[in-house]
Amino acid sequence: EIVLTQSPGTLSLSPGERATLSCRASQSVSSSYLAWYQQKPGQAPRLLIYGASSRATGIPDRFSGSGSGTDFTLTISRLEPEDFAVYYCQQYGSSTGWTFGQGTKVEIK
Amino acid sequence: QVQLQESGPGLVKPSGTLSLTCAVSGGSISSSNWWSWVRQPPGKGLEWIGEIYHSGSTNYNPSLKSRVTISVDKSKNQFSLKLSSVTAADTAVYYCARDREDYDGYYYYYYMDVWGKGTTVTVSS
Repeated sequence: EIVLTQSPGTLSLSPGERATLSCRASQSVSSSYLAWYQQKPGQAPRLLIYGASSRATGIPDRFSGSGSGTDFTLTISRLEPEDFAVYYCQQYGSSTGWTFGQGTKVEIK
Repeated sequence: QVQLQESGPGLVKPSGTLSLTCAVSGGSISSSNWWSWVRQPPGKGLEWIGEIYHSGSTNYNPSLKSRVTISVDKSKNQFSLKLSSVTAADTAVYYCARDREDYDGYYYYYYMDVWGKGTTVTVSS
């Protein structure tokens, strides 16, 4: 089973700052199977990035994803007030199903 | 625009069976997608429960497999979750989601692109 570890657990930043979120896999993951989601309180997760770096429909270009192998990154170039939320990475395994990281909370400093 | 809506009892007794349904609207459950259940305990992260294809094929999270049954009703355009022998640890918001598989000629991509709003299930006597 592949374990996804996200860091940091909480990121305290101000609007306009850059956010860098990490997702590390316990073994190599196909980039095309790696996605990122945003979740706000009381809401369902929303797909942001798939294939490690492709933005989903309607996602602003301040969100970008990168990485390969075991290390993946979600970057928010300039935080907007609506970006303060929890972010999850996810990977698909053909034999193990879907796995989520434990999440990174981006909070207002 | 495909939409998903979860429904079911909000309270289940310990040792009982949790039963939820996800209604699919704006599209057919018989499309080339798998359909998943994901849960989130209060204040915690997301946990995948399992998925189903319209043919009835299923995949389950190994940690829950012995207690989970996911089924599909094509006539009603919906799929369902049953989780048996529940305890307080099964208290969570339960989401249904559409699994997408895309192919661009080089790579297959997997992600969940449509989610229901979620339904809260509490296990308590």
